[in-house]
Amino acid sequence: NAGVTQTPKFRVLKTGQSMTLLCAQDMNHEYMYWYRQDPGMGLRLIHYSVGEGTTAKGEVPDGYNVSRLKKQNFLLGLESAAPSQTSVYFCASSYFRSPGDSTYEQYFGPGTRLTVT
Amino acid sequence: AQKVTQAQTEISVVEKEDVTLDCVYETRDTTYYLFWYKQPPSGELVFLIRRNSFDEQNEISGRYSWNFQKSTSSFNFTITASQVVDSAVYFCALSEVNYGGSQGNLIFGKGTKLSVKP
Repeated sequence: NAGVTQTPKFRVLKTGQSMTLLCAQDMNHEYMYWYRQDPGMGLRLIHYSVGEGTTAKGEVPDGYNVSRLKKQNFLLGLESAAPSQTSVYFCASSYFRSPGDSTYEQYFGPGTRLTVT
Repeated sequence: AQKVTQAQTEISVVEKEDVTLDCVYETRDTTYYLFWYKQPPSGELVFLIRRNSFDEQNEISGRYSWNFQKSTSSFNFTITASQVVDSAVYFCALSEVNYGGSQGNLIFGKGTKLSVKP
């Protein structure tokens, strides 16, 4: 049981380049999330998905796109990278059944450190 | 609006001291969950505790304890007899239940960096 995995672990991009970050989970979780972590800012939600084929915007969605074609995978894309997107990106998943259900904790991947020069 | 405030940016203690990390939250919801996560220097995020808004009992797990007080909208975390391995960034987070479109999403505080010196 690998939990939540992220690929790649590190990446350096030049301004204007594109890339896709892959998140995979093997816990059969419905919900998946992408966060970015910047110094002194905590974690901020970029996009999330409540199930296969659905995505929604979080707090800081601009400059990113996502897709959830398979339940176990959640992809985060940067179409034209900017230095402001230099950050550590975390993927998370959770098993959410209904309001009031106690199974709310999110399980996080190890993170991807992205530098845009 | 929902918000989590961790006013302590950094705390430094000497091993074996007790330390309390503060967390104050704001929410529109009557049903919500509060969480603490630990981020050690290696970078991963480790889930520590979840508490729902109807359960104000304090919780103790080994050297860790949590004090939830709805009257002051606080969910503080105490480490007793701190150890060097407790050095990490600790995040408090809030999840609302009833507001459409964002159920289950976590709102994180900015974190408190705890350094425990030998």
